[in-house]
Amino acid sequence: AQSVTQLGSHVSVSEGALVLLRCNYSSSVPPYLFWYVQYPNQGLQLLLKYTSAATLVKGINGFEAEFKKSETSFHLTKPSAHMSDAAEYFCAVSLDTGRRALTFGSGTRLQVQP
Amino acid sequence: GAVVSQHPSRVICKSGTSVKIECRSLDFQATTMFWYRQFPKKSLMLMATSNEGSKATYEQGVEKDKFLINHASLTLSTLTVTSAHPEDSSFYICSAREGLAGGVFDTQYFGPGTRLTVL
Repeated sequence: AQSVTQLGSHVSVSEGALVLLRCNYSSSVPPYLFWYVQYPNQGLQLLLKYTSAATLVKGINGFEAEFKKSETSFHLTKPSAHMSDAAEYFCAVSLDTGRRALTFGSGTRLQVQP
Repeated sequence: GAVVSQHPSRVICKSGTSVKIECRSLDFQATTMFWYRQFPKKSLMLMATSNEGSKATYEQGVEKDKFLINHASLTLSTLTVTSAHPEDSSFYICSAREGLAGGVFDTQYFGPGTRLTVL
């Protein structure tokens, strides 16, 4: 079985500051890892995904995440926050199974202060 | 990227009625679609996996007779909440997996969600 833990249900940063959203996973087999963003009353949009290629993954909107097996982490970062980054962010894990269903973390709400 | 639509986006119904939610992959064929449920300020919980032409696979604790899933074509899956009650009120989100089963790892694309309110 797999699980995902997101540390911090709310993160607040100033515009232009570094964004760091934490995600740790638990998996008995090599996982596939994802970050999704959700704006109010909308579905989820894929930011980036790790599928056992490069450990540093670059995504859309300037976000990137680094897979660290030794730390079982997949933290999401962005060098400079923008007001439009305010949203809910979900980390998710999937095992290499036929179903490819995702297990989501509890989410982190990012607030960006002007 | 690929687009997944859901209809309706919002529905309010009386207790005891049934509600059907449609999930469509607009520009790709999806052999597998997933249905999730999201409670307020909570994460998404997988309800079931829908495979085209076969019965859905439900997660533990999800009543298959309550939440009927049909995946009649490669672009359409439906979720019917039968005899809805207030505790069924939630945000329902579908996703569609692009790609061939067994091929290169593919991506799930999510619909915009359907907010169900049962009075």
